[in-house]
Amino acid sequence: AQSVTQLGSHVSVSEGALVLLRCNYSSSVPPYLFWYVQYPNQGLQLLLKYTTGATLVKGINGFEAEFKKSETSFHLTKPSAHMSDAAEYFCAVSDWTGSYQLTFGKGTKLSVIP
Amino acid sequence: GAVVSQHPSRVICKSGTSVKIECRSLDFQATTMFWYRQFPKKSLMLMATSNEGSKATYEQGVEKDKFLINHASLTLSTLTVTSAHPEDSSFYICSAQGTDLETQYFGPGTRLLVL
Repeated sequence: AQSVTQLGSHVSVSEGALVLLRCNYSSSVPPYLFWYVQYPNQGLQLLLKYTTGATLVKGINGFEAEFKKSETSFHLTKPSAHMSDAAEYFCAVSDWTGSYQLTFGKGTKLSVIP
Repeated sequence: GAVVSQHPSRVICKSGTSVKIECRSLDFQATTMFWYRQFPKKSLMLMATSNEGSKATYEQGVEKDKFLINHASLTLSTLTVTSAHPEDSSFYICSAQGTDLETQYFGPGTRLLVL
């Protein structure tokens, strides 16, 4: 069984400040990990993913995440927040050994304060 | 690339009627599509996995006779909410499995309101 825990249902940062959204996972196999962003009343957009290889993954819009196996973490960061980053962020783990179903965390709402 | 559309984007219907939601992969073929339900301020709940040419696989607790899924082609899956009731009101999102298999590409969602 797989699970994802996102610490903090709501994170607020000032514009220009560092964004850090936390994600911890549980998986019985080497994980495939994803971050998605959802804007109000819209579907999910893939930010970045980790499957194998380099543990620091760069995504769109200046976001990056680092896979740390020892900490079972996949935290999302961005050096400088922009107003347009305000959205809901979901971390997910994939069942790549089976049907590739995604198990999502509960999401973190990011607010950016001007 | 990897664009997924959903239609309609919003639908209001009377209790007892059926509603069909379409999910299309526009620029790629998807053997597998997924249907999710999202409640306000909540995460996505997987309802079913839809495979082209075969019966959908439903998650535990999802009524297959109420939520009919058809995946008739490699670019189209449909979800029909039969005899809809107010408790079926929700945001329904589909995704299509990319050619790399590991990535899901999501549609924009369909807001269903049952009166």
